[in-house]
Amino acid sequence: DGGITQSPKYLFRKEGQNVTLSCEQNLNHDAMYWYRQDPGQGLRLIYYSQIVNDFQKGDIAEGYSVSREKKESFPLTVTSAQKNPTAFYLCASRPHGKQGSSYEQYFGPGTRLTVT
Amino acid sequence: DAKTTQPPSMDCAEGRAANLPCNHSTISGNEYVYWYRQIHSQGPQYIIHGLKNNETNEMASLIITEDRKSSTLILPHATLRDTAVYYCLLYNQGGKLIFGQGTELSVKP
Repeated sequence: DGGITQSPKYLFRKEGQNVTLSCEQNLNHDAMYWYRQDPGQGLRLIYYSQIVNDFQKGDIAEGYSVSREKKESFPLTVTSAQKNPTAFYLCASRPHGKQGSSYEQYFGPGTRLTVT
Repeated sequence: DAKTTQPPSMDCAEGRAANLPCNHSTISGNEYVYWYRQIHSQGPQYIIHGLKNNETNEMASLIITEDRKSSTLILPHATLRDTAVYYCLLYNQGGKLIFGQGTELSVKP
């Protein structure tokens, strides 16, 4: 089945540790995205990548890092510099868009990270 | 900041139409209106999008006013499974999707 997978669904870490969240897609999509969601809030963009070996900061990139070595993979590292890392993290992808309308993003099931 | 405004919550009776409004008074000529929904603790799901014409698919209908400053998402026969947070977003090519807080729709029996 084609889709986006994020693992694990729940992740627990101690404060001061770096943690890497995985995101894999087999949809052959060019662009991939990482969002963060806090309780009762909308999604905020952390990083995005339009093509392999290239990525851009979103609105809240501080304390996070990413890599895009393969088209199908876009892992997110939450570093110890991120002051409030506990959140729900969502990965998304979309195909290369043509003029205008192809901006449908496909989302993974999310990873709920708890840092204590 | 999100460029759309939505009511924080709405109720709808099961089997009735749910009409979710969205204001986007600063929309640009090349920006599309997109709707997503998010069921609790899951990833958002694409519903529909449009530029200026009304659109319909198997999930919903999208009505965009002539001046494009507002739109309405219509779920024609809401079911309990339609209970979710509905997000209205704007997108133009090269831009990013910016999610606001959305409307929490509760479908009640």
